[in-house]
Amino acid sequence: QKEVEQNSGPLSVPEGAIASLNCTYSDRGSQSFFWYRQYSGKSPELIMSIYSNGDKEDGRFTAQLNKASQYVSLLIRDSQPSDSATYLCAVNRGSNYKLTFGKGTLLTVNP
Amino acid sequence: GAVVSQHPSRVICKSGTSVKIECRSLDFQATTMFWYRQFPKQSLMLMATSNEGSKATYEQGVEKDKFLINHASLTLSTLTVTSAHPEDSSFYICSARVTGGVGDTQYFGPGTRLTVL
Repeated sequence: QKEVEQNSGPLSVPEGAIASLNCTYSDRGSQSFFWYRQYSGKSPELIMSIYSNGDKEDGRFTAQLNKASQYVSLLIRDSQPSDSATYLCAVNRGSNYKLTFGKGTLLTVNP
Repeated sequence: GAVVSQHPSRVICKSGTSVKIECRSLDFQATTMFWYRQFPKQSLMLMATSNEGSKATYEQGVEKDKFLINHASLTLSTLTVTSAHPEDSSFYICSARVTGGVGDTQYFGPGTRLTVL
């Protein structure tokens, strides 16, 4: 069983729509959850971190965490072509643990 | 967020030579840094965890004698690819851990693209 799984892509949405990215994890001891954005040929950039159940909003981004269901998601409202990238879900058990990454979901926002 | 730099951003070398890549945390101290490798259209692969003042911890299948890691200070970790071969050509990315607050977070450097001829 894969430790961190992301919904298979690629995901294509029209400009202005809501993009929904999903991630499940297998380790119930996971404490910290992250979403990174990676443009082609570039390194990952942290866009959201979430540590407790519920929603966390930052601008057009909302991360949602449900530890009981072992599920974390990222919503991007009013999607822009500049949001087109691979989104990586990452999870760890907390401080002093390494991150486990999903394989990423490629998002394309069409003008 | 915290800033991590890498140098060089791109390097081309001949087969058999060694290449050193530097990773620096610019505005914070990082007791732990990580080295990743990413081949085209593939996911990040963790190579090793670099701890300041102690030996690095390598992931299974990563040759410690080929990929030498030195974390000599709280702001600098280096990765040396020794006797590089074309199959070592890849995108090498470091990250640094920021601790404190609710949890810890990793920030990535911009990466180093290595091409071995």
